[in-house]
Amino acid sequence: DIQMTQSPSTLSASVGDRVTITCRASQSIDHWLAWYQQKPGEAPKLLIYDAGSLQSGVPSRFSGSGSGTEFSLTISSLQPDDFATYYCQQYNSDWGTFGQGTKVEVK
Amino acid sequence: EVQLVESGGALVQPGRSLRLSCAASGFIFDDYAMHWVRQAPGKGLEWVSGINWNSDSLDYADSVKGRFTISRDNARNSLHLHMSSLRAEDTALYYCAKDHRSSGGALDIWGQGTMVTVSS
Repeated sequence: DIQMTQSPSTLSASVGDRVTITCRASQSIDHWLAWYQQKPGEAPKLLIYDAGSLQSGVPSRFSGSGSGTEFSLTISSLQPDDFATYYCQQYNSDWGTFGQGTKVEVK
Repeated sequence: EVQLVESGGALVQPGRSLRLSCAASGFIFDDYAMHWVRQAPGKGLEWVSGINWNSDSLDYADSVKGRFTISRDNARNSLHLHMSSLRAEDTALYYCAKDHRSSGGALDIWGQGTMVTVSS
């Protein structure tokens, strides 16, 4: 089974900061990776699919990159609404494995 | 409006069975794969099971394989998860999620979840 490892587990940042979260796959997943945002008490929300494609309605400050085993989610200028937990998910050889999550908190 | 509404969650004793359902609306249900994802209290997301558009391809997480069965009824726009031999570690909020493809992709629409608590 493919394992997904996110880093860091927690990230402290301020409004306006550029923030990058990394996701590493235990084997190559080509570009079959998604990023989700989840706020407390809410369902997850798809941000990025196929590693770099922005989901409709998602602000352009979110971007994704990477291929193979190394991926990243970048928020170009952190906004108050962006404090949340972020998950990566692979959907390559099996149906889907999530990373353990990265909590973006107020510094 | 695209919507997924889960139901069937309950408090159940270890070893018993439970059936979750998900009612879909606002999109062509049989064009897309569907999934169940769970989240234990205070924990991360765990993919549980997925089924492609016509039910000829499906899979399960190792943690539930042999105990859970996913199915779909395209005529009724519904997704189901039959859970048997339930364990305390199955306690979680169970989300129904729509795939953005017919088989194995990102999850673009999520329900609000239904809570399953396994306890004596």
